[in-house]
Amino acid sequence: SQKIEQNSEALNIQEGKTATLTCNYTNYSPAYLQWYRQDPGRGPVFLLLIRENEKEKRKERLKVTFDTTLKQSLFHITASQPADSATYLCALDADSNYQLIWGAGTKLIIKP
Amino acid sequence: GAVVSQHPSRVICKSGTSVKIECRSLDFQATTMFWYRQFPKQSLMLMATSNEGSKATYEQGVEKDKFLINHASLTLSTLTVTSAHPEDSSFYICSALKDTQYFGPGTRLTVL
Repeated sequence: SQKIEQNSEALNIQEGKTATLTCNYTNYSPAYLQWYRQDPGRGPVFLLLIRENEKEKRKERLKVTFDTTLKQSLFHITASQPADSATYLCALDADSNYQLIWGAGTKLIIKP
Repeated sequence: GAVVSQHPSRVICKSGTSVKIECRSLDFQATTMFWYRQFPKQSLMLMATSNEGSKATYEQGVEKDKFLINHASLTLSTLTVTSAHPEDSSFYICSALKDTQYFGPGTRLTVL
């Protein structure tokens, strides 16, 4: 079955640097992959969706890449700010009924 | 926009009682809504898919008689935890499907 692997250790980044988070999947290549942000005690907030035929997607300071050969997506935040500190979740389509398979998330801490 | 609300945000109840959680899509209609639960530092776990006007589809291991789902309109789905026990204490999150899943802020349930 499909599994998603995200680094369970918190990622500490200095303010102003680029933060890069990794999402690896194990089985079939999904039709699309999504990234969400989750703050403590809150529901996830949709950030970006990238489709299997897209290599890169950008939105303001965010960039997502999708490498179906490596079975990996990278999520970048440039010019990081303390307000970017949160847990970032990777999710991909479960091949049916718009359901998503979720990673456990990576906690990002941006230090001033 | 795509705003989803949940009510209540927090609830504490005694063991054996029932609790109802509401999920509303405020600015769009959603034929499909999803219910998740999330334990601390863990991934979202899909409980069931709720379709307006029909029975919900439950994931394996989720008791449909314990977690009652009603999706009576295109903007409202409810989850009722019946005869709640301490092990039901968790963070319950709903999402509504538009072009992707948009999440509510979550409901923290504590069963004493």
